[in-house]
Amino acid sequence: AQRVTQPEKLLSVFKGAPVELKCNYSYSGSPELFWYVQYSRQRLQLLLRHISRESIKGFTADLNKGETSFHLKKPFAQEEDSAMYYCALRAGTSYGKLTFGQGTILTVHP
Amino acid sequence: DTGVSQDPRHKITKRGQNVTFRCDPISEHNRLYWYRQTLGQGPEFLTYFQNEAQLEKSRLLSDRFSAERPKGSFSTLEIQRTEQGDSAMYLCASSLGDRPYEQYFGPGTRLTVT
Repeated sequence: AQRVTQPEKLLSVFKGAPVELKCNYSYSGSPELFWYVQYSRQRLQLLLRHISRESIKGFTADLNKGETSFHLKKPFAQEEDSAMYYCALRAGTSYGKLTFGQGTILTVHP
Repeated sequence: DTGVSQDPRHKITKRGQNVTFRCDPISEHNRLYWYRQTLGQGPEFLTYFQNEAQLEKSRLLSDRFSAERPKGSFSTLEIQRTEQGDSAMYLCASSLGDRPYEQYFGPGTRLTVT
């Protein structure tokens, strides 16, 4: 069975500071990893996926299979980045089931 | 199309009653998912449909839970003989067949069992 762990429930930074949201996973096969975000009063939405290796809204995430991690990083946080962030995993054997972590609330102070 | 819609948005029911939730996915999406989210946790997968076929079910989905997608469009999730532990946010999501990871979520139905 797969599992996703986000060790920080809350993370606070000041505007312009770097931010890193941690995500660790356990899965014996080859997973796909994603970050989903939920802004205040909005729906949960996909932020980025590891395969695309894109930078979305300044965020990047690298899959480290050795450390089984998929941390989300941004060099200069903005106030509009304040949101709930969920790391999610899709097992290679699954049609589309996502396994989510518990989420991290990011607050960026002015 | 305004995205995935769910009805009702809130439901309060007494223990032992049956409840049914509806989800209308984005029209061109052939995949539909149900998740449950309790306070302080991420969404937990319940079940998944491709068109009208239910292809995957979580062990969380006890025999009191049933989901249908009769015409491959909207879906319903029914909970029979509700228990207080069923209190949660029930989320529906949909996706295109070739992008199952890009799931578009609805606003959720918040169920409170008293």
